[in-house]
Amino acid sequence: GIQVEQSPPDLILQEGANSTLRCNFSDSVNNLQWFHQNPWGQLINLFYIPSGTKQNGRLSATTVATERYSLLYISSSQTTDSGVYFCAVHSGYSTLTFGKGTMLLVSP
Amino acid sequence: GAGVSQSPSNKVTEKGKDVELRCDPISGHTALYWYRQSLGQGLEFLIYFQGNSAPDKSGLPSDRFSAERTGGSVSTLTIQRTQQEDSAVYLCASSTLDSTGELFFGEGSRLTVL
Repeated sequence: GIQVEQSPPDLILQEGANSTLRCNFSDSVNNLQWFHQNPWGQLINLFYIPSGTKQNGRLSATTVATERYSLLYISSSQTTDSGVYFCAVHSGYSTLTFGKGTMLLVSP
Repeated sequence: GAGVSQSPSNKVTEKGKDVELRCDPISGHTALYWYRQSLGQGLEFLIYFQGNSAPDKSGLPSDRFSAERTGGSVSTLTIQRTQQEDSAVYLCASSTLDSTGELFFGEGSRLTVL
């Protein structure tokens, strides 16, 4: 099946800093989503982005499907951005496959 | 409802007991998924329902696990003869299309097997 690798596995930021999270995948995809899992375990949809670039406030994402990667940008980070960020992809007839996530801690 | 609803939110059971977890998807969503997340881990696919098609059960870890979806809406995940390694958060998701569509997750059911 498709492999999904996220980097870095852990990230510690000072409030106000910017960051880039990366998701590499091993095959062509027809669905890619970014989720934020908050400290209470809730998975929150950030972006549905099989290709192209989207922005939502301080967050933006870019997927370059031909090169098999996606990037999630967080600008002016806040403590509420802390949590785990998951990339998930769908390829062919499989269901959504998740990466292992990037754990982000934003300190005040 | 507005989102995916799961119950119970927490379940503590004794080893060997059977448990049932329920998922009510977003109204109109034809696709429904169950995932499992063990402590500190990523999400593990369990089973996928799409409309009236036969479910994709390829992720179920053993024959103690089963799921059904009645009337194309509510789904129940059943774990028989629970083991301690079954302890995890069980997450349900739904989408409007097939598995290429955007998934929306419920808040999960946290299962603890003593």
